[in-house]
Amino acid sequence: GEDVEQSLFLSVREGDSSVINCTYTDSSSTYLYWYKQEPGAGLQLLTYIFSNMDMKQDQRLTVLLNKKDKHLSLRIADTQTGDSAIYFCAEKWDSNYQLIWGAGTKLIIKP
Amino acid sequence: DTAVSQTPKYLVTQMGNDKSIKCEQNLGHDTMYWYKQDSKKFLKIMFSYNNKELIINETVPNRFSPKSPDKAHLNLHINSLELGDSAVYFCASSLPGQGNNEQFFGPGTRLTVL
Repeated sequence: GEDVEQSLFLSVREGDSSVINCTYTDSSSTYLYWYKQEPGAGLQLLTYIFSNMDMKQDQRLTVLLNKKDKHLSLRIADTQTGDSAIYFCAEKWDSNYQLIWGAGTKLIIKP
Repeated sequence: DTAVSQTPKYLVTQMGNDKSIKCEQNLGHDTMYWYKQDSKKFLKIMFSYNNKELIINETVPNRFSPKSPDKAHLNLHINSLELGDSAVYFCASSLPGQGNNEQFFGPGTRLTVL
């Protein structure tokens, strides 16, 4: 069946780069997403990548997609305290309203 | 403000009670969702409606009954509340087939069952 997996925690020092990884099982994914959930708030779309792309860059964020290995990563350069949040990976199939969600990675920033 | 809104934000109640959570979106979206997020932050889809019709109904106790009076509203009614129902419930909406199908989330309703 479908599955999206992520590590539950990542701890980095302020100013370093954070790399959050995700693996998924379904090769028919059309879009893959990273959502951010700050404490006490709902989820917000941070960035996404279409399945025919390998990389997408948006300011401090870089998304890498390896379709062969079904691996998605989110790199946050120069990590700041405001980046503390839970980051959810999700995939969408072609003809399905539903997103398949990972368990979320809690990003902890050390001073 | 264009957004997904939910009421109430907090709900504390006794076991056995019946309660409702309301959700409204003014984004013009066709599809709305209810998610449950447990204490470990796992996010689980419960229901999805498209144009007032149920399209996703995951394995959820039938004590949970969604109602969509129109495509801008999706309410969640819970009967005979149990301790295990304590969680944060998120409503979301999207416009499938348009662009990246981003889901927009409400702020959540924290339900505590005593």
